[in-house]
Amino acid sequence: DAGVIQSPRHEVTEMGQEVTLRCKPISGHNSLFWYRQTMMRGLELLIYFNNNVPIDDSGMPEDRFSAKMPNASFSTLKIQPSEPRDSAVYFCASGKGAQISKFSYEQYFGPGTRLTVT
Amino acid sequence: LAKTTQPISMDSYEGQEVNITCSHNNIATNDYITWYQQFPSQGPRFIIQGYKTKVTNEVASLFIPADRKSSTLSLPRVSLSDTAVYYCLVGDTMRTGRRALTFGSGTRLQVQP
Repeated sequence: DAGVIQSPRHEVTEMGQEVTLRCKPISGHNSLFWYRQTMMRGLELLIYFNNNVPIDDSGMPEDRFSAKMPNASFSTLKIQPSEPRDSAVYFCASGKGAQISKFSYEQYFGPGTRLTVT
Repeated sequence: LAKTTQPISMDSYEGQEVNITCSHNNIATNDYITWYQQFPSQGPRFIIQGYKTKVTNEVASLFIPADRKSSTLSLPRVSLSDTAVYYCLVGDTMRTGRRALTFGSGTRLQVQP
């Protein structure tokens, strides 16, 4: 089975440009998570969706960041305009999310997108 | 908000059993405890998840005491390839009913020959 697919794997862009990261979750998973990882801040949750609906976006750094999940098999994370401090590895993960009485945090991560903003 | 505390680093030798303990004093009733492993330049990989008592799979065991305020990940007979960062994850239930996922700083395990 294919795991979580992310594209691009590497992105180098100039400050001020728009960046779009893409994610295809594992089929059948109803939750999707976007994370950012840096040496300084570690692994941070940016936003997560359940059944395509954004549930918690409190980790989105500022209005320059936006995420969408138009259907169960696709999500995007957009940064506009990008800044050098956005340089990081961005991970997408999917999981089974909310179940009958408990929330499962079993997630499967993609390979990540390494973003460099110069 | 629930917060996890883990040792920053641990050292071991091949063939030894490694136990990594995570403290989570404010764990909520409906929260699971989940452990992940991360190798350099890769995304975290799910290892094991539990709610109470003991859970075992082909990779590790997870021990959770009755009060659930801590958990211990046990790796039997580690090898060099187990050198990685291990994260303990506990879900939060925020006042609004939303849940947050907080990865702590993790435990860097170094296995030596």
